[in-house]
Amino acid sequence: DTGVSQDPRHKITKRGQNVTFRCDPISEHNRLYWYRQTLGQGPEFLTYFQNEAQLEKSRLLSDRFSAERPKGSFSTLEIQRTEQGDSAMYLCASRRGLSTDTQYFGPGTRLTVL
Amino acid sequence: QQPVQSPQAVILREGEDAVINCSSSKALYSVHWYRQKHGEAPIFLMILLKGGEQKGHDKISASFNEKKQQSSLYLTASQLSYSGTYFCGTEIKAAGNKLTFGGGTRVLVKP
Repeated sequence: DTGVSQDPRHKITKRGQNVTFRCDPISEHNRLYWYRQTLGQGPEFLTYFQNEAQLEKSRLLSDRFSAERPKGSFSTLEIQRTEQGDSAMYLCASRRGLSTDTQYFGPGTRLTVL
Repeated sequence: QQPVQSPQAVILREGEDAVINCSSSKALYSVHWYRQKHGEAPIFLMILLKGGEQKGHDKISASFNEKKQQSSLYLTASQLSYSGTYFCGTEIKAAGNKLTFGGGTRVLVKP
């Protein structure tokens, strides 16, 4: 257990539905990241927060995806009008403000879009 | 921009050694190594920050050649628990704090 938690762990939805995932980072970590991982691939960066500010978004993050981190604590990732191609593991990671520290991953949310 | 890992897969007998390489075409600020078991989150192994720096964790160590933009992970006297997929995550200078991950190296250690 790295101290980063994600909810739910698994989500099965039908195409066209909206889904929302939650990530609770390690409490003293002010940086929070979202990644997407498909089978056999490494995690792909989606977006990054420093405190409550969303500082970077990948071009992978279409306008159907939105992420928030109100009050700089937990974060949510919402996918609207899900498509089968959205099926993947969604990983959250957190990091202290030090550039010498690493990112610690949560257990992930596995999304299956039918 | 994704770092290239090699080999893609390796099968070892318990007690054997292996080397996993991670190469980038960009100047690197740091390299982070993770191990991931099936269905689980990546677990942090070590971070390398300086060129030529070597770090160790149990019988797993790593080096970082800043000039070659390359890092290597050394699995020494492998144990069954070393099985999994190893990923390097690279952080590029002045490119923000995100990690860009390689495609992974699948390691299977057999008794």
